Amino acid sequence: EIVLTQSPATLSLSPGERATLSCRASQSISSYLAWYQQKPGQAPRLLIYGSFNRATGIPARFSGSGSGTDFTLTISSLEPEDFAVYYCQQRSNWPRTFGQGTKLEIK
Amino acid sequence: EVQLLESGGGVVQPGGSLRLSCAASGFIFRDYFMSWVRQAPGKGLEWVSGIRATAGTTYYADSVKGRFTISRDNSKNTLFLEMNSLRAEDTAVYYCTKGGYNYDFDPWGQGTLVTVSS
Repeated sequence: EIVLTQSPATLSLSPGERATLSCRASQSISSYLAWYQQKPGQAPRLLIYGSFNRATGIPARFSGSGSGTDFTLTISSLEPEDFAVYYCQQRSNWPRTFGQGTKLEIK
Repeated sequence: EVQLLESGGGVVQPGGSLRLSCAASGFIFRDYFMSWVRQAPGKGLEWVSGIRATAGTTYYADSVKGRFTISRDNSKNTLFLEMNSLRAEDTAVYYCTKGGYNYDFDPWGQGTLVTVSS
């Protein structure tokens, strides 16, 4: 099973700041990495697929990068609605696995 | 607009059974791989099971293999999850989601809560 390790567990920033979230895979997953955003009481929402492609309707301030084992989600300038939990997920191997999540909170 | 609507959650005793359903609309259901993902209270996301569009090839997490069965009725645009021998650790919100094979999970239903407790 591929283990995805996200860091940091919690990130405290202010609106307008840049956020950088990391996801590391236990073995190479090429670019089969997606990012999801989840707000309290809501279902997750796909943000990024294929490591760097924005899903439909996702603002340009969200960007993804990386391949192999190291991946990054960057939010260029935080908006109030961006404070949430973010998960990475791989579909290179079965079973599909998720990282444990990074909570992005308001400082 | 793609919509996924789960139903069938509830409270069940350990060892009991439950059947979840997911009604799909807004896309050609029979063309897509479908999945179930769960989230225990206050915890992260765990992929549970997936099923191919046709021919019904299925995939399971080790934690549910032999106890859960995923199936679909393409004539009714409905996905199912039959859950047997339920354990306390199966307590979670269960999400139905489109994708998981050649595509990532998008979109997700609103989820249905399963509570396993005596």
